[in-house]
Amino acid sequence: AQKITQTQPGMFVQEKEAVTLDCTYDTSDQSYGLFWYKQPSSGEMIFLIYQGSYDEQNATEGRYSLNFQKARKSANLVISASQLGDSAMYFCAMRGQGGSEKLVFGKGMKLTVNP
Amino acid sequence: NAGVTQTPKFQVLKTGQSMTLQCAQDMNHEYMSWYRQDPGMGLRLIHYSVGAGITDQGEVPNGYNVSRSTTEDFPLRLLSAAPSQTSVYFCASSTGIGNTIYFGEGSWLTVV
Repeated sequence: AQKITQTQPGMFVQEKEAVTLDCTYDTSDQSYGLFWYKQPSSGEMIFLIYQGSYDEQNATEGRYSLNFQKARKSANLVISASQLGDSAMYFCAMRGQGGSEKLVFGKGMKLTVNP
Repeated sequence: NAGVTQTPKFQVLKTGQSMTLQCAQDMNHEYMSWYRQDPGMGLRLIHYSVGAGITDQGEVPNGYNVSRSTTEDFPLRLLSAAPSQTSVYFCASSTGIGNTIYFGEGSWLTVV
């Protein structure tokens, strides 16, 4: 069975600072994908970044990067230069070999960016 | 380009009533899924489909029914609503490879 663990219930960061959101995962699949989604107070799920298990380079998307440590089964999201608009819930999710129709999500964590 | 469209956005039901949450996508995606999100929880998979005529159960399927008669549509039916089904429901579609997963805007359902 696949499992995603996000242990930080909430974090506070000052605007323009960098922040790391933790995610650990458990799977027996050899091929899998890891996702991070942002959910603002309006409720929609916004895709941020994706890392495939065979990708040798850490994924980057603008201010977002994924610190992928396969041996430790961690996939932490790093947000550089936080902005007020980054305040939201953040979810880590995993897709196993079954395909992208079946994602397993963590419980999420709330990020608050202070001015 | 509409993407994934869910209707209704908000709905209040009485216990025992039935209803259908509609999901439509215009991207010709084979894979579609329904998730529910409860307070303090991540999304949990209810049912999914890998193509027209093919559906399967996810993690929390009880009380829900699905069918996939066309590629575009994947309705979720609540046969006899219960207060435990009060939740936010998300529909998603994808090509099945890579990171191309699109979510609808969500449907807020309250069962009283």
